[in-house]
Parts: sequence; C-alpha cells; structure tokens
Amino acid sequence: GQQVMQIPQYQHVQEGEDFTTYCNSSTTLSNIQWYKQRPGGHPVFLIQLVKSGEVKKQKRLTFQFGEAKKNSSLHITATQTTDVGTYFCAGTKFSGYSTLTFGKGTMLLVSP
Amino acid sequence: NAGVTQTPKFQVLKTGQSMTLQCAQDMNHEYMSWYRQDPGMGLRLIHYSVGAGITDQGEVPNGYNVSRSTTEDFPLRLLSAAPSQTSVYFCASRPPTGNTEAFFGQGTRLTVV
Repeated sequence: GQQVMQIPQYQHVQEGEDFTTYCNSSTTLSNIQWYKQRPGGHPVFLIQLVKSGEVKKQKRLTFQFGEAKKNSSLHITATQTTDVGTYFCAGTKFSGYSTLTFGKGTMLLVSP
Repeated sequence: NAGVTQTPKFQVLKTGQSMTLQCAQDMNHEYMSWYRQDPGMGLRLIHYSVGAGITDQGEVPNGYNVSRSTTEDFPLRLLSAAPSQTSVYFCASRPPTGNTEAFFGQGTRLTVV
C-alpha cells in the first residue's frame, strides 16, 4: 500500500534558526497536505499542494511539492517558540476523493 | 459552528470492556474518518465513511466497528478492549469536493488497563 515517510522524526533548534522537514511517498501523489499539531492538541490544516513543482508561502513557512509529485518539504525560516509542535504531511493517491495517508510527523522543539 | 465534536475526552477501560467513542460534525461533510495516534507512529486510519450508510476499513481496523446512519454522526465501537488499543483517537471530516482539508476533533485519550 501507499507509504509516506517523513524525516527527521525530531528536531530541536534554537529560536531564530531555520527548520526543514521532508516527506517522501512510495507512489505518485495527487496532492499533499501539511498539518500542525501543538502539544496536547489536534492536527490543524496548514496548506495543500496540488501541482508538480508547486511552491507556496505562508509568512515564514515555505512549502514545496516535488516535480515528480512524490516528495514535499516544509521549511520554516527563523523559528519562533510558537512554531513548537509536530508537523505532518499527508498524501492522497487519486484526484477524486481518496483517503489521506499521513507521515509519522516531525516533532519540532524550539528553545528561546 | 462547533465543527467536529468528540466525546469523551478521556476514558479508562478494563481489558475486555466495550465502549463507543462518539463523533459528530455540523458542517454537512460527507467524508468522515477515525485515526489513532501512537507515539512515533503518526496518524493511522482505522475506518472511514464516504457518506451515510457507507463505511470501509482503513489501515488498522481490527478490534473496531463503525456505522454511519446519519451524515452528522460516525461512532467508533471497541468490541472488547485490549491494552494495545491504548491510544489517542481522532475523528476527522472532509467536505465532498475532492481532496480537501480534514477537520479534526479534539481527540479522545483512551487507556486500557
């Protein structure tokens, strides 16, 4: 079945440093979504990427979808303590409705 | 607008007991899913539904039952709880307009002793 791998599993940075998490799928994806889960909270949708090579930005967050639509990345510039949480990617296989397959997530800890 | 509501928030069960985790959404979403979250394992799909009267199995369905009699509700039943089912359970819903974002409930933290 479809597998979505995410690395690193955990990263601890100093406030102001950059952070990147990578997501790789064993199959070509229709789209990829990113979610953030604060400690003790529930996953919250951040963004969806659909097109090959797509790049989207949300303030300090930059999301990329690979040309082959099998990988994606989330980059945070100049991390802040509010960025603490676990970041998940989730891919769908088909263009119509299909289930979301989540990566295992990257837990980000930011020290002030 | 409440979104996705899960009850209870916390539950302790003894091995062998049964219970139902409740999930309700008020957004008229056709698609609903149940996930379990375990440390280092991410979110794994248990069961999902694409509309009232239609359910299907996800990645880890064993030991769980679901039904979807209305668009709003999607309860998850544990038939005979086992310690391996200790986890945090999330219900999610999505609008029926293709692959769009999932809205998650607050989660149910279940401990089986």
